[in-house]
Amino acid sequence: EPEVTQTPSHQVTQMGQEVILRCVPISNHLYFYWYRQILGQKVEFLVSFYNNEISEKSEIFDDQFSVERPDGSNFTLKIRSTKLEDSAMYFCASSGRAAQAETQYFGPGTRLLVL
Amino acid sequence: SQQGEEDPQALSIQEGENATMNCSYKTSINNLQWYRQNSGRGLVHLILIRSNEREKHSGRLRVTLDTSKKSSSLLITASRAADTASYFCAFDFSGGYNKLIFGAGTRLAVHP
Repeated sequence: EPEVTQTPSHQVTQMGQEVILRCVPISNHLYFYWYRQILGQKVEFLVSFYNNEISEKSEIFDDQFSVERPDGSNFTLKIRSTKLEDSAMYFCASSGRAAQAETQYFGPGTRLLVL
Repeated sequence: SQQGEEDPQALSIQEGENATMNCSYKTSINNLQWYRQNSGRGLVHLILIRSNEREKHSGRLRVTLDTSKKSSSLLITASRAADTASYFCAFDFSGGYNKLIFGAGTRLAVHP
């Protein structure tokens, strides 16, 4: 069964460093998302992406964040200058179409620790 | 706020018993999805129910949706130790470009 994959599974970085989290969505999906989950808290929406542009972003997704689909398969989240509070599990998700009721399939997540 | 609430926050039962988790929301939705998360792991999609549906089944799972009360429930019948996990409802609100808003989750512990 097709699945969303994410790399790396764990990343440790120093505050102020840039990190790139990578995702390979399900191959025939058109809509892509990033979410994050701070330890012990809710899963929070960051950004949705369709047709090579951002569809919607949350207040969390400020100027230090960016997303890109550099080729036909990868979908990346870049955090330009990491802060301690960026430590979280980051989930990528994809879905087939946005209109009315489509399941979002999540990857296994990347656990980011900022020191 | 579009946030949803889940209850109970934690549920502890014995194997073979049924587990019921509830979820409520504040504004109209396109659909509601339930996910499972084993400790520190990814989110596994369980079931999606659309706003015009009232009940759906998948194996030992039964989901109901009451749009008049803006609430949903997830029932796991004949629970197993392997069902131990956190369960989240997630809302797709109308006009939200399909972003999902997650509830706080219910931590289910099933004891052998």
